[in-house]
Amino acid sequence: DVKVTQSSRYLVKRTGEKVFLECVQDMDHENMFWYRQDPGLGLRLIYFSYDVKMKEKGDIPEGYSVSREKKERFSLILESASTNQTSMYLCASSLATGRRANEKLFFGSGTQLSVL
Amino acid sequence: RKEVEQDPGPFNVPEGATVAFNCTYSNSASQSFFWYRQDCRKEPKLLMSVYSSGNEDGRFTAQLNRASQYISLLIRDSKLSDSATYLCVVNLYSGNTPLVFGKGTRLSVIA
Repeated sequence: DVKVTQSSRYLVKRTGEKVFLECVQDMDHENMFWYRQDPGLGLRLIYFSYDVKMKEKGDIPEGYSVSREKKERFSLILESASTNQTSMYLCASSLATGRRANEKLFFGSGTQLSVL
Repeated sequence: RKEVEQDPGPFNVPEGATVAFNCTYSNSASQSFFWYRQDCRKEPKLLMSVYSSGNEDGRFTAQLNRASQYISLLIRDSKLSDSATYLCVVNLYSGNTPLVFGKGTRLSVIA
């Protein structure tokens, strides 16, 4: 089975801190995604990547950046955490076929980030 | 029109009931459709893909209506374990674009 591992299940940070959320997948998937999920707002796409060193903005990239130096690892960075970034963050990966993003998504178990 | 829209619920149904959810999507050219299930405090997982001809997996039936731009999920003989949020997911646009998620429909099956 595909495994998508997120480094922390719960994280508490202070306003202004730089925050790194790590995600690793073990099935050689080309596509990786970062979402945040908030009550009433559903899953919202922050950034995604279809290849190493490649990144594309999702629907809500403001205040975030990403890094994909290796195929299996996709990091989400909050340069200066703010209270409105308190959320559940979900990483996902999928196998690409002709670079189409319509394959089955495998999610990590999520990181609940609280910014105080 | 919202891109992928679902009734948020909650749907509260007794065990054994049949329940159906609909989901509408904005782009008539959309090609791929899925239902994901998300348990409380867990990650979403693929429940089933939705094919043009409709498809069934045990108590679950998924259908696509291209003319009216909606997909549906029917759950027969509901179990307590079916309680979850059901997410409608669509590949709205061709090319290198990610899947678009609906906000989910919450189902509670009551004993």
